[in-house]
Amino acid sequence: TQLLEQSPQFLSIQEGENLTVYCNSSSVFSSLQWYRQEPGEGPVLLVTVVTGGEVKKLKRLTFQFGDARKDSSLHITAAQTGDTGLYLCAGATNAGKSTFGDGTTLTVKP
Amino acid sequence: NAGVTQTPKFQVLKTGQSMTLQCAQDMNHEYMSWYRQDPGMGLRLIHYSVGAGITDQGEVPNGYNVSRSTTEDFPLRLLSAAPSQTSVYFCASSYAPSGEQYFGPGTRLTVT
Repeated sequence: TQLLEQSPQFLSIQEGENLTVYCNSSSVFSSLQWYRQEPGEGPVLLVTVVTGGEVKKLKRLTFQFGDARKDSSLHITAAQTGDTGLYLCAGATNAGKSTFGDGTTLTVKP
Repeated sequence: NAGVTQTPKFQVLKTGQSMTLQCAQDMNHEYMSWYRQDPGMGLRLIHYSVGAGITDQGEVPNGYNVSRSTTEDFPLRLLSAAPSQTSVYFCASSYAPSGEQYFGPGTRLTVT
């Protein structure tokens, strides 16, 4: 069984602060995806990283895939209240099977 | 495009009852999956399919059956509902095995 460990589980910060969320596994994945989920809705994709060492930026969000393709991080710069939500990482294999971490619940206070 | 649709949105069952959760997608995606999400948790894979006629088990398949007779539809059947199956169920589809997954709005199931 492939496991993805996400940390921290909960994060509460003030608007304007920076934060990093981590996603670690002992398994190698074909790709790693980060999703954001709002209450009562399904997850929505933020980014997919495929190549070891890859860094992708999406406005104030920076995503990194580890060199060995086993871990990833999500860094948010100058968090805003609109960033509040559940952030999920998911590792995917070429067999069509995905494994999700338990998520990080982020609260950004004004 | 409607994307991924799921019905019903809410369901209450008594222990021992059976039911089918419906999932359909209109994006011609080969890959489809069913997940359950318990409060404060991530998603756990129940069953997945890599194409019509092909299904496989995920992490938590016990108590659930699936079939994939068409590319569009991927129903999930609860054989004999138990309180431990109280959860939110999400269906997802993808154009590639490790590609972006598109999720439905979920079915909130309560088993009493």
